[in-house]
Amino acid sequence: DTGVSQDPRHKITKRGQNVTFRCDPISEHNRLYWYRQTLGQGPEFLTYFQNEAQLEKSRLLSDRFSAERPKGSFSTLEIQRTEQGDSAMYLCASSLEAQGYTEAFFGQGTRLTVV
Amino acid sequence: AQKVTQAQTEISVVEKEDVTLDCVYETRDTTYYLFWYKQPPSGELVFLIRRNSFDEQNEISGRYSWNFQKSTSSFNFTITASQVVDSAVYFCALSEAGYQKVTFGTGTKLQVIP
Repeated sequence: DTGVSQDPRHKITKRGQNVTFRCDPISEHNRLYWYRQTLGQGPEFLTYFQNEAQLEKSRLLSDRFSAERPKGSFSTLEIQRTEQGDSAMYLCASSLEAQGYTEAFFGQGTRLTVV
Repeated sequence: AQKVTQAQTEISVVEKEDVTLDCVYETRDTTYYLFWYKQPPSGELVFLIRRNSFDEQNEISGRYSWNFQKSTSSFNFTITASQVVDSAVYFCALSEAGYQKVTFGTGTKLQVIP
């Protein structure tokens, strides 16, 4: 396993269009997280899944954003009617929550530019 | 509410110098975790260390060392004998009792000049 994989790495879209990103976590990891990082800032938590259940959503996740993790494996993050303010790096991370704590591993991110 | 402050926006050092990156945090929880991550130009976040709130022992890993002081709510990171490959943005982060939601600082950009 080569780690957390995100696709695409870069996406340029016109304002108003819908976009979808994919994240493939490390195979045995049961937790999956989405973060957003704007230029010059640290990542901000968006949402996380335990297996297929979405357990927490940030207030940053407006109605235009939806995330899914069918079957508890890969996850998708969709942004509808994109706005210029959605331009950011979208990071996915995964971890194994068993006994005790394990750190999360991050993917390389999807950089979204809305023009 | 959790908060992480990294007051140093950018630091430049000459190769082989030591450098300390500062991190101050705020939390109301007594159980929490602190982290440092490295973000090279490629974009991915690379985990460096995790420390739980009950373990104040300082840690050394090669050229890296961390100083955790609950009394001052600080978790500083020192790189000894810096190298050009250390150039990156470094993030300090905090999570309360687990990893459900991690709060990151704004990062410190370190440039090591050859």
